[in-house]
Amino acid sequence: KAGVTQTPRYLIKTRGQQVTLSCSPISGHRSVSWYQQTPGQGLQFLFEYFSETQRNKGNFPGRFSGRQFSNSRSEMNVSTLELGDSALYLCASSLGEGSYQPQHFGDGTRLSIL
Amino acid sequence: AQRVTQPEKLLSVFKGAPVELKCNYSYSGSPELFWYVQYSRQRLQLLLRHISRESIKGFTADLNKGETSFHLKKPFAQEEDSAMYYCALSSYGGATNKLIFGTGTLLAVQP
Repeated sequence: KAGVTQTPRYLIKTRGQQVTLSCSPISGHRSVSWYQQTPGQGLQFLFEYFSETQRNKGNFPGRFSGRQFSNSRSEMNVSTLELGDSALYLCASSLGEGSYQPQHFGDGTRLSIL
Repeated sequence: AQRVTQPEKLLSVFKGAPVELKCNYSYSGSPELFWYVQYSRQRLQLLLRHISRESIKGFTADLNKGETSFHLKKPFAQEEDSAMYYCALSSYGGATNKLIFGTGTLLAVQP
């Protein structure tokens, strides 16, 4: 089975721009979660989608949004980029049924804001 | 507040020595605890979860609800154990996969 695929791997943007990151989960997985990883804050939960619905949301401003498509692929969008948004953004997928299911992580998208 | 604390940023041991990576948590409900590991140039991956009560690669972890701890242990460290280890928690039985991570401990096993 192919693993979780995130595109692009690297992005460089400037302040005020917006960005869209993509995540393709493992085939058959219906839950997709997003995390932000920074040296100062570590791994922080952004949001989780299951069957095209946002199931949970972390403590991030409204500039961070996401969505999930019928094929379970997910995108996250960050608008009006700030320097502090520079981070590695990780996507994880799981079966999503019932109680906690082990998550499989992608390699991440490294976003740099100039 | 929901929180996971890993007090050590770096733990350096010699090959063959015992290893204990500390993890404490704060959670109001019934938590499910995990250890994730990231080897050099590899993806973050699940090492073990408390509900499975199994040993993976010689590592074990016991959930101590009285001390709110979930320390990771291995009796004899190997060089290939060198990696970044993250303790994480989720809501047991909840309809969510949200994970709360600790800040991680870098384990360096010296030859």
